[in-house]
Amino acid sequence: GESVGLHLPTLSVQEGDNSIINCAYSNSASDYFIWYKQESGKGPQFIIDIRSNMDKRQGQRVTVLLNKTVKHLSLQIAATQPGDSAVYFCAEGYNTDKLIFGTGTRLQVFP
Amino acid sequence: KAGVTQTPRYLIKTRGQQVTLSCSPISGHRSVSWYQQTPGQGLQFLFEYFSETQRNKGNFPGRFSGRQFSNSRSEMNVSTLELGDSALYLCASSLGSTLNTEAFFGQGTRLTVV
Repeated sequence: GESVGLHLPTLSVQEGDNSIINCAYSNSASDYFIWYKQESGKGPQFIIDIRSNMDKRQGQRVTVLLNKTVKHLSLQIAATQPGDSAVYFCAEGYNTDKLIFGTGTRLQVFP
Repeated sequence: KAGVTQTPRYLIKTRGQQVTLSCSPISGHRSVSWYQQTPGQGLQFLFEYFSETQRNKGNFPGRFSGRQFSNSRSEMNVSTLELGDSALYLCASSLGSTLNTEAFFGQGTRLTVV
C-alpha cells in the first residue's frame, strides 16, 4: 500500500534530552503535514501540523520543521518526558486527497 | 466536548462472516475517514466521507464498504471476512470541507478474525 516515511525505527532518549524524529514524504505536491502520537491501546493523537507555505511551526515543547527541497519533515520534542514514549507518525496530504501515513517511529524515554 | 467514539472496542468474528463498525464523530465535524492499522502495513486509508458522500477511497477490495448518515455518524462494513482483515480499525473526524484540517482519531475497534 501507499506509505510515507521510514520503516519503523526506534529512538531511545534520556529523560530531559531533546528528541528529533524524522520523516521523508513522497509527494512533492503535498501541502499539508501532520504529526501524530499513538500510545499503546489508543488511537493516534494530533500533535502539530504545518502547511507547505511554512518551514517551521512551534507548539508546546514541540517544533515541526519542513524542508520541501528534500521532502523531509521532522518533529523536535524538547525536554523529553516519560509520557512522550509512544509511536509517532507523520502524514502528508494534498487538497482534498487522502492523508498518507508513514509507518511510524517508536520513541522510548529512559530515566 | 466528546471525542470520536468507536463501537465496539473489540470484536471477534470467524472467516466468512461480515462485520459492521460504527463511528460517531466530534459534534460539528462533517468529515469521517476510516483507516486500517496492522503491524506490517501501518495505517492504511480505507475511505473518507463528507456530507454523506464518499469523497476518497483507498486501495482496498470491494468487501470493504462504508456509509455516512445525515448526523455525520459513519459505519464501515467488511463482508466475507478473511484472516488478514484482523486489525485495528480507526476512524478520524475533522471539521472541514478539505482534508487539510486537524483530524481527531477514535480509540479504534480491534477486530480479530479466527
